[in-house]
Amino acid sequence: GAGVSQSPSNKVTEKGKDVELRCDPISGHTALYWYRQSLGQGLEFLIYFQGNSAPDKSGLPSDRFSAERTGGSVSTLTIQRTQQEDSAVYLCASSPRTSGHTGELFFGEGSRLTVL
Amino acid sequence: AQSVTQPDIHITVSEGASLELRCNYSYGATPYLFWYVQSPGQGLQLLLKYFSGDTLVQGIKGFEAEFKRSQSSFNLRKPSVHWSDAAEYFCAVGEPAGTALIFGKGTTLSVSS
Repeated sequence: GAGVSQSPSNKVTEKGKDVELRCDPISGHTALYWYRQSLGQGLEFLIYFQGNSAPDKSGLPSDRFSAERTGGSVSTLTIQRTQQEDSAVYLCASSPRTSGHTGELFFGEGSRLTVL
Repeated sequence: AQSVTQPDIHITVSEGASLELRCNYSYGATPYLFWYVQSPGQGLQLLLKYFSGDTLVQGIKGFEAEFKRSQSSFNLRKPSVHWSDAAEYFCAVGEPAGTALIFGKGTTLSVSS
């Protein structure tokens, strides 16, 4: 597609269940980011992938959070044993970034996660 | 570590009035600076960016921003606000050789008629 695609757009789950959120970046974009947006908290950086380099996981809040990017394209963010404080909108962004520059990020519309 | 502060959580401006949204950053060198807008139900869209050169940058939708190194600020301005500008605005800072953009907590703009 033309833009960053995220699925599901909405997810309601019960506390303790695992969830997977998917991001399909813009074709050809080498950089992929995950952010979390909570009410009044802005955008919290979670993880960053650049090409075949090791991802920057410095923003992941706990070991319940993990992400992978297969074939340098699609990414999946997994949250294990969800807690109510995990409720947020999870945003994915991609960028045609090359090393040494911070290019424009193109955002998807997000996956809204509600943990009951 | 980088940080971004947007002092105003919520601003209301009359349609046709001028607008200035404040952004202060903390970073040791010259950062890359961005303003993004998020309209209700929409994804984030880049308004403008500053990498180097002229400190006054022009963006889309009639917005501009000025980089002031001495004040560590990158305030967003628009001379005449339209009702469609009602949205949430985020300032972000990035390192030239760094990784993720760091975002402020956002300013919600309401436009009154």
